[in-house]
Amino acid sequence: GAVVSQHPSRVICKSGTSVKIECRSLDFQATTMFWYRQFPKQSLMLMATSNEGSKATYEQGVEKDKFLINHASLTLSTLTVTSAHPEDSSFYICSASPQWNEQFFGPGTRLTVL
Amino acid sequence: GENVEQHPSTLSVQEGDSAVIKCTYSDSASNYFPWYKQELGKGPQLIIDIRSNVGEKKDQRIAVTLNKTAKHFSLHITETQPEDSAVYFCAASKESSYKLIFGSGTRLLVRP
Repeated sequence: GAVVSQHPSRVICKSGTSVKIECRSLDFQATTMFWYRQFPKQSLMLMATSNEGSKATYEQGVEKDKFLINHASLTLSTLTVTSAHPEDSSFYICSASPQWNEQFFGPGTRLTVL
Repeated sequence: GENVEQHPSTLSVQEGDSAVIKCTYSDSASNYFPWYKQELGKGPQLIIDIRSNVGEKKDQRIAVTLNKTAKHFSLHITETQPEDSAVYFCAASKESSYKLIFGSGTRLLVRP
Protein backbone atom coordinates (compact mmCIF):
# COMPACT_ATOMS: atom_id res chain seq x y z
CA GLY A 1 0.00 0.00 0.00
CA ALA A 2 0.83 3.75 0.02
CA VAL A 3 2.17 3.92 -3.53
CA VAL A 4 2.82 7.27 -5.17
CA SER A 5 3.66 7.60 -8.85
CA GLN A 6 5.17 10.45 -10.80
CA HIS A 7 5.17 11.09 -14.51
CA PRO A 8 7.37 11.63 -16.37
CA SER A 9 10.39 10.14 -14.64
CA ARG A 10 12.74 12.11 -16.83
CA VAL A 11 12.22 15.12 -19.10
CA ILE A 12 14.49 17.26 -21.22
CA CYS A 13 13.16 20.53 -22.54
CA LYS A 14 14.34 23.69 -24.22
CA SER A 15 14.76 26.93 -22.33
CA GLY A 16 11.55 28.97 -22.33
CA THR A 17 9.15 26.04 -22.57
CA SER A 18 6.83 24.76 -19.85
CA VAL A 19 6.88 21.31 -18.31
CA LYS A 20 4.11 19.57 -16.39
CA ILE A 21 4.81 16.86 -13.81
CA GLU A 22 2.03 14.65 -12.47
CA CYS A 23 1.87 13.10 -9.03
CA ARG A 24 -0.68 10.41 -8.22
CA SER A 25 -1.50 8.47 -5.09
CA LEU A 26 -2.44 5.05 -6.44
CA ASP A 27 -4.04 3.25 -3.51
CA PHE A 28 -5.10 5.95 -1.12
CA GLN A 29 -6.65 9.39 -1.07
CA ALA A 30 -4.37 12.27 -0.21
CA THR A 31 -5.85 15.43 1.18
CA THR A 32 -2.42 16.99 1.13
CA MET A 33 0.41 16.65 -1.35
CA PHE A 34 3.84 18.20 -1.26
CA TRP A 35 6.35 19.20 -3.89
CA TYR A 36 10.07 19.10 -3.18
CA ARG A 37 13.17 19.96 -5.09
CA GLN A 38 16.48 18.21 -4.56
CA PHE A 39 19.89 19.22 -5.83
CA PRO A 40 22.71 16.66 -6.09
CA LYS A 41 23.98 15.44 -2.73
CA GLN A 42 21.60 17.70 -0.84
CA SER A 43 18.51 17.25 1.26
CA LEU A 44 14.94 17.76 0.09
CA MET A 45 13.75 21.34 -0.12
CA LEU A 46 10.01 21.85 0.30
CA MET A 47 8.62 24.04 -2.45
CA ALA A 48 4.89 24.03 -1.71
CA THR A 49 2.06 22.31 0.08
CA SER A 50 -0.99 21.45 -1.97
CA ASN A 51 -4.46 20.79 -0.58
CA GLU A 52 -7.22 19.33 -2.70
CA GLY A 53 -9.55 22.01 -4.00
CA SER A 54 -7.62 25.00 -2.68
CA LYS A 55 -4.63 27.10 -3.61
CA ALA A 56 -1.19 25.81 -2.85
CA THR A 57 0.91 27.29 -0.07
CA TYR A 58 4.39 28.16 -1.29
CA GLU A 59 7.54 28.27 0.79
CA GLN A 60 9.48 31.47 1.09
CA GLY A 61 11.54 32.17 -2.00
CA VAL A 62 9.54 29.92 -4.31
CA GLU A 63 7.87 31.81 -7.15
CA LYS A 64 4.24 30.78 -7.36
CA ASP A 65 3.88 32.14 -10.89
CA LYS A 66 6.80 30.05 -12.06
CA PHE A 67 5.87 26.82 -10.30
CA LEU A 68 2.15 26.34 -10.84
CA ILE A 69 0.52 23.71 -8.68
CA ASN A 70 -2.90 22.21 -9.16
CA HIS A 71 -4.50 19.67 -6.82
CA ALA A 72 -7.69 18.85 -8.67
CA SER A 73 -8.56 15.60 -6.93
CA LEU A 74 -7.68 13.54 -3.88
CA THR A 75 -5.31 11.43 -5.96
CA LEU A 76 -3.70 13.88 -8.38
CA SER A 77 -1.52 16.95 -8.10
CA THR A 78 0.43 18.59 -10.90
CA LEU A 79 3.44 20.87 -10.93
CA THR A 80 4.04 23.01 -14.00
CA VAL A 81 7.41 24.67 -14.39
CA THR A 82 6.70 27.67 -16.61
CA SER A 83 9.25 29.29 -18.89
CA ALA A 84 11.90 26.86 -17.72
CA HIS A 85 15.55 27.91 -17.61
CA PRO A 86 18.72 25.88 -17.06
CA GLU A 87 18.80 26.84 -13.39
CA ASP A 88 15.46 25.04 -12.98
CA SER A 89 17.16 21.76 -13.80
CA SER A 90 16.77 19.57 -10.75
CA PHE A 91 15.17 16.47 -9.27
CA TYR A 92 11.54 17.18 -8.41
CA ILE A 93 9.82 14.86 -5.93
CA CYS A 94 6.23 14.82 -4.77
CA SER A 95 4.78 13.23 -1.68
CA ALA A 96 1.24 12.43 -0.63
CA SER A 97 -0.21 12.34 2.85
CA PRO A 98 -3.08 9.95 3.65
CA GLN A 99 -3.28 11.22 7.19
CA TRP A 100 -1.65 13.60 9.55
CA ASN A 101 2.13 13.76 9.22
CA GLU A 102 2.72 10.61 7.19
CA GLN A 103 4.20 11.28 3.78
CA PHE A 104 4.86 8.80 1.03
CA PHE A 105 7.11 9.89 -1.77
CA GLY A 106 6.99 9.43 -5.50
CA PRO A 107 10.00 8.19 -7.48
CA GLY A 108 10.95 11.69 -8.61
CA THR A 109 11.26 13.49 -11.95
CA ARG A 110 14.63 14.50 -13.35
CA LEU A 111 14.21 17.78 -15.23
CA THR A 112 16.96 18.99 -17.55
CA VAL A 113 16.53 22.36 -19.25
CA LEU A 114 18.81 22.96 -22.21
CA GLY B 1 11.97 27.85 13.06
CA GLU B 2 12.30 24.12 13.41
CA ASN B 3 15.71 22.71 12.61
CA VAL B 4 16.91 19.12 12.36
CA GLU B 5 20.59 18.29 12.52
CA GLN B 6 21.84 14.92 11.30
CA HIS B 7 25.18 13.17 11.87
CA PRO B 8 27.33 11.79 10.46
CA SER B 9 27.18 13.01 6.88
CA THR B 10 28.92 9.86 5.68
CA LEU B 11 29.28 6.47 7.30
CA SER B 12 31.22 3.47 6.07
CA VAL B 13 30.83 0.10 7.79
CA GLN B 14 31.83 -3.47 7.12
CA GLU B 15 29.08 -5.85 6.10
CA GLY B 16 27.56 -7.41 9.20
CA ASP B 17 28.44 -4.52 11.47
CA SER B 18 25.90 -2.10 12.92
CA ALA B 19 25.28 1.46 11.77
CA VAL B 20 23.91 4.30 13.86
CA ILE B 21 22.70 7.65 12.56
CA LYS B 22 21.71 10.42 14.94
CA CYS B 23 19.41 13.42 14.62
CA THR B 24 18.64 16.34 16.90
CA TYR B 25 15.57 18.54 16.59
CA SER B 26 14.95 22.01 17.96
CA ASP B 27 11.18 22.29 18.34
CA SER B 28 9.97 20.58 21.51
CA ALA B 29 6.47 20.41 19.99
CA SER B 30 7.66 17.90 17.37
CA ASN B 31 5.98 14.55 17.85
CA TYR B 32 6.50 12.53 14.68
CA PHE B 33 9.90 11.31 13.50
CA PRO B 34 10.19 9.30 10.28
CA TRP B 35 13.30 7.90 8.63
CA TYR B 36 13.66 7.65 4.87
CA LYS B 37 16.06 5.69 2.67
CA GLN B 38 16.90 7.16 -0.71
CA GLU B 39 18.70 5.21 -3.37
CA LEU B 40 20.42 6.95 -6.24
CA GLY B 41 17.97 8.51 -8.68
CA LYS B 42 14.90 7.45 -6.68
CA GLY B 43 12.47 9.04 -4.29
CA PRO B 44 12.79 8.61 -0.52
CA GLN B 45 11.22 5.49 0.95
CA LEU B 46 9.80 5.44 4.45
CA ILE B 47 11.58 2.72 6.41
CA ILE B 48 10.47 3.35 9.96
CA ASP B 49 8.85 6.06 12.03
CA ILE B 50 8.21 6.81 15.68
CA ARG B 51 5.80 9.03 17.52
CA SER B 52 6.57 10.86 20.74
CA ASN B 53 4.48 8.60 22.92
CA VAL B 54 7.01 5.76 22.57
CA GLY B 55 10.73 5.58 23.18
CA GLU B 56 11.74 2.79 20.83
CA LYS B 57 10.42 0.95 17.81
CA LYS B 58 11.89 -2.02 16.01
CA ASP B 59 11.29 -3.65 12.64
CA GLN B 60 13.58 -6.60 11.93
CA ARG B 61 17.10 -5.18 11.51
CA ILE B 62 16.01 -1.57 11.89
CA ALA B 63 15.24 0.25 15.10
CA VAL B 64 14.62 3.85 16.08
CA THR B 65 15.03 5.35 19.54
CA LEU B 66 13.68 8.66 20.77
CA ASN B 67 14.83 10.77 23.70
CA LYS B 68 12.31 13.58 24.08
CA THR B 69 14.15 15.23 26.95
CA ALA B 70 17.34 15.57 24.94
CA LYS B 71 15.40 16.12 21.71
CA HIS B 72 17.24 13.55 19.72
CA PHE B 73 16.42 10.33 17.91
CA SER B 74 18.56 7.69 16.28
CA LEU B 75 18.36 5.04 13.58
CA HIS B 76 20.03 1.72 14.26
CA ILE B 77 20.68 -0.82 11.51
CA THR B 78 22.06 -4.16 12.63
CA GLU B 79 23.72 -6.86 10.52
CA THR B 80 24.22 -4.42 7.67
CA GLN B 81 24.16 -5.68 4.10
CA PRO B 82 25.49 -4.08 0.89
CA GLU B 83 21.92 -3.33 -0.18
CA ASP B 84 21.58 -1.07 2.87
CA SER B 85 23.96 1.34 1.10
CA ALA B 86 21.98 4.52 0.39
CA VAL B 87 21.34 8.00 1.72
CA TYR B 88 19.25 8.10 4.88
CA PHE B 89 17.23 11.13 5.96
CA CYS B 90 15.64 11.79 9.30
CA ALA B 91 12.73 14.21 9.64
CA ALA B 92 10.51 15.75 12.27
CA SER B 93 7.07 17.29 12.33
CA LYS B 94 4.50 18.46 14.83
CA GLU B 95 0.77 18.11 15.18
CA SER B 96 -0.02 21.67 14.11
CA SER B 97 1.75 21.24 10.77
CA TYR B 98 1.83 18.64 8.02
CA LYS B 99 5.33 19.74 7.07
CA LEU B 100 8.35 17.50 7.51
CA ILE B 101 11.62 19.16 8.43
CA PHE B 102 14.44 17.06 7.02
CA GLY B 103 17.94 16.48 8.22
CA SER B 104 20.84 16.92 5.82
CA GLY B 105 21.18 13.21 5.11
CA THR B 106 23.72 10.46 5.81
CA ARG B 107 25.42 8.56 3.03
CA LEU B 108 25.83 4.99 4.26
CA LEU B 109 28.26 2.65 2.53
CA VAL B 110 28.31 -1.00 3.51
CA ARG B 111 31.53 -2.65 2.35
CA PRO B 112 31.22 -6.32 1.30
